[in-house]
Amino acid sequence: DSGVTQTPKHLITATGQRVTLRCSPRSGDLSVYWYQQSLDQGLQFLIQYYNGEERAKGNILERFSAQQFPDLHSELNLSSLELGDSALYFCASSVGTGHNSPLHFGNGTRLTVT
Amino acid sequence: GENVGLHLPTLSVQEGDNSIINCAYSNSASDYFIWYKQESGKGPQFIIDIRSNMDKRQGQRVTVLLNKTVKHLSLQIAATQPGDSAVYFCAEREGAQKLVFGQGTRLTINP
Repeated sequence: DSGVTQTPKHLITATGQRVTLRCSPRSGDLSVYWYQQSLDQGLQFLIQYYNGEERAKGNILERFSAQQFPDLHSELNLSSLELGDSALYFCASSVGTGHNSPLHFGNGTRLTVT
Repeated sequence: GENVGLHLPTLSVQEGDNSIINCAYSNSASDYFIWYKQESGKGPQFIIDIRSNMDKRQGQRVTVLLNKTVKHLSLQIAATQPGDSAVYFCAEREGAQKLVFGQGTRLTINP
């Protein structure tokens, strides 16, 4: 158990809808990262937050947004969903900003858009 | 036995043999590397990491080798067990925070 908690585990929704994925980092970790993993694909970095502020941005679509709250949990909002958004979404956390420290991943949220 | 090659999507080894999983990274400026193991239905699990000022690092049954000259990273698993079956990802840190993952190698263990 990595200590990173993601909810829900599974999410099925229709195209055009909006969903929110939630992540609680490991106790003491200030950074939260979001990654997308499509079928047979590697992990694509979306965005990182550190202590409530956006720290780094990857190939995150404009339809997607995220935030980190004062209690350090994070939410990833996906809107105007398309079939191609179906994927596993992972949250990870790390001590500090991730400089020379590994990311610890949750078990992901599997999103299916129908 | 040992299997050597680059970018192998699938690696099959006999139980008890040693496994070598290879990874080529792209950015010569990357200074931190991590190996992750991902089992079906789970998130990536940290195995071992190495900084660019090192060539080798050992953990429990695992060794990571870093060759900066050819930008190559490998993960050696000793005495491979059925529980080692998974997809293994290498990751490199580019820039201040961004961790970039490779495509992954699926390791299967034959009894």
